Amino acid sequence: DAGVTQSPTHLIKTRGQQVTLRCSPKSGHDTVSWYQQALGQGPQFIFQYYEEEERQRGNFPDRFSGHQFPNYSSELNVNALLLGDSALYLCASSLVGGGLAFFGQGTRLTVV
Amino acid sequence: GESVGLHLPTLSVQEGDNSIINCAYSNSASDYFIWYKQESGKGPQFIIDIRSNMDKRQGQRVTVLLNKTVKHLSLQIAATQPGDSAVYFCAENMDSSYKLIFGSGTRLLVRP
Repeated sequence: DAGVTQSPTHLIKTRGQQVTLRCSPKSGHDTVSWYQQALGQGPQFIFQYYEEEERQRGNFPDRFSGHQFPNYSSELNVNALLLGDSALYLCASSLVGGGLAFFGQGTRLTVV
Repeated sequence: GESVGLHLPTLSVQEGDNSIINCAYSNSASDYFIWYKQESGKGPQFIIDIRSNMDKRQGQRVTVLLNKTVKHLSLQIAATQPGDSAVYFCAENMDSSYKLIFGSGTRLLVRP
C-alpha cells in the first residue's frame, strides 16, 4: 500500500504565477482533503473533494481551487500567487463520512 | 473562533521517561479526536484516535485521555524514545463537518 502520495515535493514559483499540486489517495479511499501548513503552525483546512465535487471549504480565497478525478486523485490549483502562499501543502485521504485522515508527505511551495 | 488550543510549547524529556502532551479544544460539539506526529519535512502521521463516547484509549506505548467536562485531551507516551522526537498535533472533528481542526502543535525533544 503506497499510502497518500503527493507531487512535486518542492516547488519554487514567482509571485503572480499559478501552481498545480497533485495527490493520489491511499488505496481504497475516495475522499481527498487539502490543508495548508505555515511554518510553525498546525495545518489549516482548504477544502475537501468527494465524488469529484467540492463538498466543504475552509476560509481560503477563490484563488485556491481544486479538482478530483474519477480515480479519486486530486489537484490543488493556486492562482495569482502571493508571498504569503509559501507553505507546506498537505493532502489527506479518507473514506466518505470524514473522520480519520491519512496524510501525504506534502509539497513545499516557496513563492519568491 | 474555532481552534484546538494547543499553543506551541516544547516538552523536553529524558529517554525512558513518560511524556504527557496536553491539548484544550474549544468546540464542545466535537466528537472525534486524533493525535498526529509530524517529523521534520514529513506529513502528519496518525498515532491514535478517540471518539467522544470514550474517555480513554490505549495503543502501543501511547494512551489518549479525553475529558469532555473541561474539553481537554492528552497524549501519554510511555518509555519515550529518541524516535519519538517530533511535533505532536491534536485535531478535532465534528460529525457534521468534514474538516479536521488542528492546533499549533507541541515539540517533543527526547534527551539521550
